[in-house]
Amino acid sequence: DVKVTQSSRYLVKRTGEKVFLECVQDMDHENMFWYRQDPGLGLRLIYFSYDVKMKEKGDIPEGYSVSREKKERFSLILESASTNQTSMYLCASSSGIGGYTFGSGTRLTVV
Amino acid sequence: ILNVEQSPQSLHVQEGDSTNFTCSFPSSNFYALHWYRWETAKSPEALFVMTLNGDEKKKGRISATLNTKEGYSYLYIKGSQPEDSATYLCALTTDSWGKLQFGAGTQVVVTP
Repeated sequence: DVKVTQSSRYLVKRTGEKVFLECVQDMDHENMFWYRQDPGLGLRLIYFSYDVKMKEKGDIPEGYSVSREKKERFSLILESASTNQTSMYLCASSSGIGGYTFGSGTRLTVV
Repeated sequence: ILNVEQSPQSLHVQEGDSTNFTCSFPSSNFYALHWYRWETAKSPEALFVMTLNGDEKKKGRISATLNTKEGYSYLYIKGSQPEDSATYLCALTTDSWGKLQFGAGTQVVVTP
């Protein structure tokens, strides 16, 4: 069964902390994506990567960075967590226009 | 950014009733349209990928149509069941690498 695995289902962090959200896929997909989901706003793209060591900004990259050192792993980094980054974070991977396979999400609360 | 709109934002349906909801978009400048079902505490699950005007897809009691000329897609649920309760997401593939632009979703609650 193909999978996209996010390391944590729930996280609580303090304002100012550096936060790492990890995502691993086992499908050998080139493309990986990080979204956040907020009520009424839908899924908004933060960053994406089309290959190892490549990254592109999405629609809302401010306050985030990413790392893709290996094909299967795509990490989202909150450099200094703030309360407005409290959200559900979803990772996804794809091999083209056929759609995404999603992880189960990480609900992050910043206090 | 393509503006993908879904309506209604939420709806309540009695078990056994049929329902439908809409995804609309301003132009046909995309590669494919996707429908996902997202149940609470689970990953979004792919329902349909639609690529042609007039395309229709069916999976059990759920079906979808696409009209790129008029800029909308409908998702239909026939004989709703409580297990159909979920948020249904519409998304457009906006580049050849597969990047998706999502609507805000329609939350469906089916009550027994």
